[in-house]
Amino acid sequence: EAQVTQNPRYLITVTGKKLTVTCSQNMNHEYMSWYRQDPGLGLRQIYYSMNVEVTDKGDVPEGYKVSRKEKRNFPLILESPSPNQTSLYFCASSAGTAAAEAFFGQGTRLTVV
Amino acid sequence: QKEVEQNSGPLSVPEGAIASLNCTYSDRVSQSFFWYRQYSGKSPELIMSIYSNGDKEDGRFTAQLNKASQYVSLLIRDSQPSDSATYLCAVKAWGYSTLTFGKGTMLLVSP
Repeated sequence: EAQVTQNPRYLITVTGKKLTVTCSQNMNHEYMSWYRQDPGLGLRQIYYSMNVEVTDKGDVPEGYKVSRKEKRNFPLILESPSPNQTSLYFCASSAGTAAAEAFFGQGTRLTVV
Repeated sequence: QKEVEQNSGPLSVPEGAIASLNCTYSDRVSQSFFWYRQYSGKSPELIMSIYSNGDKEDGRFTAQLNKASQYVSLLIRDSQPSDSATYLCAVKAWGYSTLTFGKGTMLLVSP
């Protein structure tokens, strides 16, 4: 089954404690991205990757890091989380062509206290 | 900066009625258009894609695209309470892989 898998689904952490949210896709997609979703603000792109070792900032990259060492994986790293990073996070992948739809992971609800 | 605009709603319709959801976009090079449905706390799921001017029908859903007016819409016929969700419009330009999303329109279908 084609899918994008994120882990964990829920996470409560404390300010400043480094964390990683994993994302893996099994569709051999070149393009992967991370979004955060907040009430009233919609989906905002954090980072994206066009292929292995190619990443770039989205609209709200501050406080986040990513890496793309393998085609299937695209982890999101919060080196020093702060309460304003409390949000619902989605990983997505697509084939990278203009007509390709995006497939989303199940989401990770992060709370930073 | 590409912008995608949607009314936040909620759009309230009775069961069985036609729900009409609208979306405008600012970038004239936008060429691919997608409608996603998102239930509260869940991930967006694709329901329609459209690439050329005109109408595209899939079951109870019809997507309409007018590139001259930079306008894309989604019609849901025979609306059901299970259609109650937020509908996200997304656009993509040729040569780019990034999807730009609108903030979504909440649809409420009452029994």
